[in-house]
Amino acid sequence: DQQVKQNSPSLSVQEGRISILNCDYTNSMFDYFLWYKKYPAEGPTFLISISSIKDKNEDGRFTVFLNKSAKHLSLHIVPSQPGDSAVYFCAASGLRGGSNYKLTFGKGTLLTVNP
Amino acid sequence: NAGVTQTPKFRILKIGQSMTLQCTQDMNHNYMYWYRQDPGMGLKLIYYSVGAGITDKGEVPNGYNVSRSTTEDFPLRLELAAPSQTSVYFCASSRRQGESPLHFGNGTRLTVT
Repeated sequence: DQQVKQNSPSLSVQEGRISILNCDYTNSMFDYFLWYKKYPAEGPTFLISISSIKDKNEDGRFTVFLNKSAKHLSLHIVPSQPGDSAVYFCAASGLRGGSNYKLTFGKGTLLTVNP
Repeated sequence: NAGVTQTPKFRILKIGQSMTLQCTQDMNHNYMYWYRQDPGMGLKLIYYSVGAGITDKGEVPNGYNVSRSTTEDFPLRLELAAPSQTSVYFCASSRRQGESPLHFGNGTRLTVT
């Protein structure tokens, strides 16, 4: 029973274009969302987050959008660079109810940015 | 700064053997976690700790044990290794609960044959 779903296992884009990675969640108690980036043989590294009081958060080339009614979030990378090629994990947690330190992860999307 | 350090990087175990995966962090974080990642899957929480002396089970704790005697160290013990425990194990820490990202180590790749 996946509570966080990344339905696209892989995505390929051209350098300079926009990359859009999608994530859906089913648990209405989730109110804090994060994106992690993972290179081979390394641990995941934090990229960007958003809390449910916002619908957009931007950090340089990375923007996360949250649509609470649709239980959907997306990560936009503009412009995409070859160094962005990695696996991207969506994660979610609930800040209420005492379980706020437990993240639930999606399966990840492998992004390949072609030069 | 080292961040979260995991040892060993790789290990092969025979069925029934035991081992300890080491994890240490130098950021003075109270919260520490162990995750496993199976091929094509997301990370699943094995155990976590909210401070020295306090640990609790995550989503997939069976076959594992942890201890937290210091703020810095959070070792994961595998007793009686089984092929189902073949995975990549990640240790992580965070400064506080709530809106505080996890910092991950580089993982231990474990194969049980």
